[in-house]
Amino acid sequence: QVQLVQSGGEVKKPGASVKLSCKASGYTFSKNAVHWLRQAPGHGLEWLGWINPRTGNTTYSQKFKGRVTITRDTSATTAYMELSSLTSEDTAVYYCARGAGDGVPLWASWGQGSLVTVSS
Amino acid sequence: DIQMIQSPSSLSASVGDSVTITCQASQDIRQFLNWFQQKPGNAPQLLTYGASNLGPGVSSRFSGSGSGTDFTLTISRLQPEDTATYFCLQYDNLPYTFGQGTKLEIK
Repeated sequence: QVQLVQSGGEVKKPGASVKLSCKASGYTFSKNAVHWLRQAPGHGLEWLGWINPRTGNTTYSQKFKGRVTITRDTSATTAYMELSSLTSEDTAVYYCARGAGDGVPLWASWGQGSLVTVSS
Repeated sequence: DIQMIQSPSSLSASVGDSVTITCQASQDIRQFLNWFQQKPGNAPQLLTYGASNLGPGVSSRFSGSGSGTDFTLTISRLQPEDTATYFCLQYDNLPYTFGQGTKLEIK
């Protein structure tokens, strides 16, 4: 069955960067997009961007452009999301989700979430 | 960015009732709208996609409709396990944007 397993929670200081991973299994990694989203405490969901694992092409939300980098390691069937210049506003649970091959957000499979806490 | 106005923000209903949640987009998004259910501490679950298509393994008690700017999610024959927060998502334009959520309580 399709599984996305994310790395554990992180505590970071303001100004630092965080890199999260999302290990995929149960399907052909290169055939489906991987999206990254986040949910701040008590808030709704926010989409950060996605990667085409076959080509490595990425699409980012303009809000996070310049701060977010999504990469993948096809041999490890793992996608990564790095967010830099962290502030307290970046404290959130970060999710990866599997999309359709063309990036359409048919998010039927999700990771378990990774809590990132930004605090001095 | 496209704004998604979701209503109501919360509602309470009884087992066996039907409820309707709406999402209004700030511009035409054709039928590029999904609905999700999220229970506390869990990742969201896809309910419907493309406005009216049922997600994989989702109960037929859930149904979506609409196009353009106005969309609805209807949950019929409410069960206790339907207690959750429900979100809409538009994916016609980047960035993808969400409604603020509707918290459903089953009395």
